[in-house]
Amino acid sequence: GAVVSQHPSRVICKSGTSVKIECRSLDFQATTMFWYRQFPKQSLMLMATSNEGSKATYEQGVEKDKFLINHASLTLSTLTVTSAHPEDSSFYICSASRGPSTDTQYFGPGTRLTVL
Amino acid sequence: DAKTTQPPSMDCAEGRAANLPCNHSTISGNEYVYWYRQIHSQGPQYIIHGLKNNETNEMASLIITEDRKSSTLILPHATLRDTAVYYCAATSGSARQLTFGSGTQLTVLP
Repeated sequence: GAVVSQHPSRVICKSGTSVKIECRSLDFQATTMFWYRQFPKQSLMLMATSNEGSKATYEQGVEKDKFLINHASLTLSTLTVTSAHPEDSSFYICSASRGPSTDTQYFGPGTRLTVL
Repeated sequence: DAKTTQPPSMDCAEGRAANLPCNHSTISGNEYVYWYRQIHSQGPQYIIHGLKNNETNEMASLIITEDRKSSTLILPHATLRDTAVYYCAATSGSARQLTFGSGTQLTVLP
């Protein structure tokens, strides 16, 4: 199998606080992990690509200082939303792939972030 | 990056084949076509992918036109549990990032 988990599944926080979301590949080593954001009734938008042990590559328009990504091991990547604001409320989804020779991305169940 | 275009919605009768089209006319020679589906408030589920040959697995079949400008996902015997948003996506870049289309809401009717 290719199972990816995310934690927490949903989080509510106050404006100005930081929130960390974890993404884990449970039964395979993920050379590359991806973070997406999805607003209601919209498609998935890629935020950043991270490779284990190196800095993440952010898509145009995504603030790297606001969305901190750490890919410390081959099974764990974290996304920290710093100084969250209500407009950051969204569905955040991670995916993982085994590496460049196998492109298929397997997605986590997503994290629903609500910023009050 | 290749852009994919899909119809916003489709209906299908239970037990019949569901044929979901995707246009990817700007796809380049080394970009794969991927299909995922998403049930409300869940992460996307991988279905199938291909480069230029038709592909089949236990979930679906993928038919890619010879010029690679479009493809069709076929669910051979749709069930009510197949009701979901189906996304066609193309890979690009050195890290094989996925660029998702807007998706097709498939509703399987009893």
